[in-house]
Amino acid sequence: DAGITQSPRHKVTETGTPVTLRCHQTENHRYMYWYRQDPGHGLRLIHYSYGVKDTDKGEVSDGYSVSRSKTEDFLLTLESATSSQTSVYFCAISVGGPTDTQYFGPGTRLTVL
Amino acid sequence: AQSVTQLGSHVSVSEGALVLLRCNYSSSVPPYLFWYVQYPNQGLQLLLKYTSAATLVKGINGFEAEFKKSETSFHLTKPSAHMSDAAEYFCAVSDTPSGTYKYIFGTGTRLKVLA
Repeated sequence: DAGITQSPRHKVTETGTPVTLRCHQTENHRYMYWYRQDPGHGLRLIHYSYGVKDTDKGEVSDGYSVSRSKTEDFLLTLESATSSQTSVYFCAISVGGPTDTQYFGPGTRLTVL
Repeated sequence: AQSVTQLGSHVSVSEGALVLLRCNYSSSVPPYLFWYVQYPNQGLQLLLKYTSAATLVKGINGFEAEFKKSETSFHLTKPSAHMSDAAEYFCAVSDTPSGTYKYIFGTGTRLKVLA
């Protein structure tokens, strides 16, 4: 357990509504990541952050935005949710460095109807 | 761009049998490679990682993996499967050439252990 929590753990919403997922860490790690997990695709990176207010896009960033105003919190926002964004979302942290282990949160299961 | 390929989305073995999960990577520079395990309804946790210190890497729960540069492989093995090994396993590579601390994951292999 690397002190990572995600909220909510489960959410059902309707198409077109905004949704914000929160990732919180207690260990002040510099790097934070948002992934989505879908059958047959493994984990795909949505966005990542390498410091407060420093973020960059991953391979599947369309339709998602992020914010990091504090070291401990990394927010993922779906501005207008679509059914294709139904997925399990994982947050991860690392201290940085290509050999460093990523530690994952428990995940958020999002269903968009 | 770096990538990883996991052969076999589903693997079934009998309890007590050898576990072999395959991972091949594509990298133009020496890679850093990882195996993660995901139990049902949980996040991923590290099994082991290769960082060029030794080609045979031992991890938790009796798993090990061997880095073979000539074959661009990093296959995961365990001599004797246990029912508790049933899970999904992911191979990942650190995207070092891009200069960012991103990781690229394979599509996963779901291991089923038969009694």
